[in-house]
Amino acid sequence: DTGVSQDPRHKITKRGQNVTFRCDPISEHNRLYWYRQTLGQGPEFLTYFQNEAQLEKSRLLSDRFSAERPKGSFSTLEIQRTEQGDSAMYLCASSRSGTPTEAFFGQGTRLTVV
Amino acid sequence: DAKTTQPNSMESNEEEPVHLPCNHSTISGTDYIHWYRQLPSQGPEYVIHGLTSNVNNRMASLAIAEDRKSSTLILHRATLRDAAVYYCNTYSGGGADGLTFGKGTHLIIQP
Repeated sequence: DTGVSQDPRHKITKRGQNVTFRCDPISEHNRLYWYRQTLGQGPEFLTYFQNEAQLEKSRLLSDRFSAERPKGSFSTLEIQRTEQGDSAMYLCASSRSGTPTEAFFGQGTRLTVV
Repeated sequence: DAKTTQPNSMESNEEEPVHLPCNHSTISGTDYIHWYRQLPSQGPEYVIHGLTSNVNNRMASLAIAEDRKSSTLILHRATLRDAAVYYCNTYSGGGADGLTFGKGTHLIIQP
């Protein structure tokens, strides 16, 4: 396995457009997390899945943000009607369930909204 | 409210030990203490975790206070490649509480 993969690595979009990011976790991991990271800050937790169930979504930043993991494998994060404040690095991580757990992170998708 | 408190930055010399502190005074009995680090332009990577006893692995050691309200990540012999932001967090691994990160400690290694 090559680890957690995110696509694209970079995305430039115009304000108001919709964007979708993909995350492919490590194959045997049933947990998948999404984070946003802005410059100088730690990763900000957005949501997470256990298999296909989205167990926490209250921290998604607004109703413009949504995430799916339809078959419990890869996941997508969509941002509708992007704003300049959405410019950030979006990180995905995966882990096994249970306690304790080691999360493996992808390289992230850097979004720039112009 | 932040679950953990860490110094914003620390500086050390190459080949010397580094002790990175973390306060987690509200930790619950089932929370594990995790440390991650983030090198420039990369996603965070796992370093070490522990519950009550001190832990060692190939990357670092974790010293946990007896009351579990604080811990210290120890890099025994820092190299320039250890320059990164180090995050301490507490996580029970269950429920809807995902791994959350504070601002971390920016570790600077001087040659």
